[in-house]
Amino acid sequence: AQRVTQPEKLLSVFKGAPVELKCNYSYSGSPELFWYVQYSRQRLQLLLRHISRESIKGFTADLNKGETSFHLKKPFAQEEDSAMYYCAPGSSNTGKLIFGQGTTLQVKP
Amino acid sequence: DGGITQSPKYLFRKEGQNVTLSCEQNLNHDAMYWYRQDPGQGLRLIYYSQIVNDFQKGDIAEGYSVSREKKESFPLTVTSAQKNPTAFYLCASSILQVGTGELFFGEGSRLTVL
Repeated sequence: AQRVTQPEKLLSVFKGAPVELKCNYSYSGSPELFWYVQYSRQRLQLLLRHISRESIKGFTADLNKGETSFHLKKPFAQEEDSAMYYCAPGSSNTGKLIFGQGTTLQVKP
Repeated sequence: DGGITQSPKYLFRKEGQNVTLSCEQNLNHDAMYWYRQDPGQGLRLIYYSQIVNDFQKGDIAEGYSVSREKKESFPLTVTSAQKNPTAFYLCASSILQVGTGELFFGEGSRLTVL
C-alpha cells in the first residue's frame, strides 16, 4: 500500500534552532517527492521538490532511498517558518500525490 | 488575476441533501483534483481529472460525484450517500509534465452538515 508517515504532529522549536521534519514513505516504483507548506491564512503551496535539488527559504530535503525517507531540514529556524508542512510523494505524469498527515512547525521567539 | 477559485467558502447542509462545490481555474491546466482535509488525516484524494470529459476515482470517492465538461471547471457534488460529509474540501490543478508536480490549490470550502 502507498502511504506517507509524518511522525510528529507538532514540532516546537526556538528561533535560531535547527529544524528537521520527518517523512517516511511507502510507494511502489520511484516516486517524485515534494514538500508543501500552508502558512496561516494562506493557501497550501509547493515548498520544494526533490528533483530540483533546490533550497527554498533555507530549507533542504534529503532523499534516502534505502530508508525511503525525505526529511525536511533547516539549520536556523525563523518565526516566519511557523506553518503546517506536508510531505507528498507522487507522479508528475499523473499529478497524483499522496499527502502525509502534516506536521505543524511552531517557531517561538 | 490567475488562479483557482472555490465557492462557497462556507456551506451548511441538512442531512439528506446533496450539495455542489464549485471549482474554477484560469491557469489553462489540464488536470484538476478534489481533496478532503480532516484534522490529523492530511489530505485525501476524492476524484481527479486529467482531461475534459474524463475523471477517475481517488481513495475516498464513495458518496461523491464530479463532472468535467469544461477545462476550467471541476465541480464536486457531495451526495446524501456520503456518511461523514462535514469537512474542509480543497480543489487543485496542475499541468501534467515530468519534473513539475506542482499543484495549485484553492482557498477551500468548509462544509458543515447540521
